[in-house]
Amino acid sequence: DIQMTQSPSSLSASVGDRVTITCRASQSISSYLNWYQQKPGKAPNLLIYAASSLQSGVPSRFSGSGSGTDFTLTISSLQPEDFATYYCQQSYSTPRTFGQGTKLEI
Amino acid sequence: QVQLQESGPGLVKPSETLSLTCTVSSGSISSYYWSWIRQPPGKGLEWIGNIYYSGSTTYSPSLKSRVIISVDTSKNQLSLKLSSVTAADTAVYYCARDTLLIVAHSGYYYYGMDVWGQGTTVTVSS
Repeated sequence: DIQMTQSPSSLSASVGDRVTITCRASQSISSYLNWYQQKPGKAPNLLIYAASSLQSGVPSRFSGSGSGTDFTLTISSLQPEDFATYYCQQSYSTPRTFGQGTKLEI
Repeated sequence: QVQLQESGPGLVKPSETLSLTCTVSSGSISSYYWSWIRQPPGKGLEWIGNIYYSGSTTYSPSLKSRVIISVDTSKNQLSLKLSSVTAADTAVYYCARDTLLIVAHSGYYYYGMDVWGQGTTVTVSS
């Protein structure tokens, strides 16, 4: 199985901040990397696919980069609705695996 | 806009079989992969397995011996059966559509879970 490791596990930030979350794969996954946002009590929501492609309807303040084993999710200017938990997930092979999550807090 | 709805018992006894259904509405189950994912209380997401509409399946190695995922295209439903459950199987269970998404200007497609059900909570307890 491909292991996905996110850092940090939690992050405190303020509205307007620029925030970066990192995800590392245990082997090269090319650009087969997705990012999801999950709010409490809700299902995850796809933000970014193929490492850097913005899913339809997702605000442009979200961006993704990276390839191979190292990836980042950046939120350029935090909005109140962005405080949530973020997960990376590889779609390179099965089993699909997720990172452990990064909780973004005020 | 396609919608997914999970359903099934919220309480299952230890050693019994957990059975859930995911109903796909406002869209077809055909031509897609469909995944089951679970999330124990306060923890992260775990992929259980997926199924193509034709019936071919892939399971997580850690659950493979206990899991069966099936599809009923006539009802636009997929189902999950997890046998010999323990308290460790207590979780919110989600179904999701695993879609081929195009990368602009590249012509390449990548999978992403773009539609999710709201999730259903299953507790394993006697």
